[in-house]
Amino acid sequence: QKEVEQNSGPLSVPEGAIASLNCTYSDRGSQSFFWYRQYSGKSPELIMSIYSNGDKEDGRFTAQLNKASQYVSLLIRDSQPSDSATYLCAVNSNSGYALNFGKGTSLLVTP
Amino acid sequence: DAGVIQSPRHEVTEMGQEVTLRCKPISGHDYLFWYRQTMMRGLELLIYFNNNVPIDDSGMPEDRFSAKMPNASFSTLKIQPSEPRDSAVYFCASSWDLASSTDTQYFGPGTRLTVL
Repeated sequence: QKEVEQNSGPLSVPEGAIASLNCTYSDRGSQSFFWYRQYSGKSPELIMSIYSNGDKEDGRFTAQLNKASQYVSLLIRDSQPSDSATYLCAVNSNSGYALNFGKGTSLLVTP
Repeated sequence: DAGVIQSPRHEVTEMGQEVTLRCKPISGHDYLFWYRQTMMRGLELLIYFNNNVPIDDSGMPEDRFSAKMPNASFSTLKIQPSEPRDSAVYFCASSWDLASSTDTQYFGPGTRLTVL
């Protein structure tokens, strides 16, 4: 069973701080990694994708990938209350189009 | 574009009844995915289609579940008979076909199913 593990949280950070979200995966053959954000009662929306080892930055978001350690993380700089949501880590399967999702980490940014 | 459209948004039914969930993918997308989300199990892939053909249905929990995609703009997920443990939010998602990497999956608003 291919697994994607996340700490369920909640992770609480003050406004303006850096939020760090972590994810580990079991399938060494995985090639594509994604972070989705899901507000309560809403559908998941993609915020970052990463395919190579290292860092990828997009605005206040940075995704980090370490395939040797089977670890992917998401950093949110200058956290805002509007960032409060559940963040889902997703990893592709061998087929390349089916994603395995973690159960998500709940983030709370307090004013 | 209107995005992925799902109907109904909410469904309450009694155990043993047939339930049909509907999805219209984004026009031009070749891949369609059905997911189920619960607190206990998170977001699980049930089945996905490529060009209307089912590719992987290994996530379908049992024979009570079936899915069809009769054309590029419509898919259904049917549960017959429904059971209380089927209560969940069911999402449909679609994406373009890119040979080199997994493309973004765009999710619909979901159908919240409650089986009493």
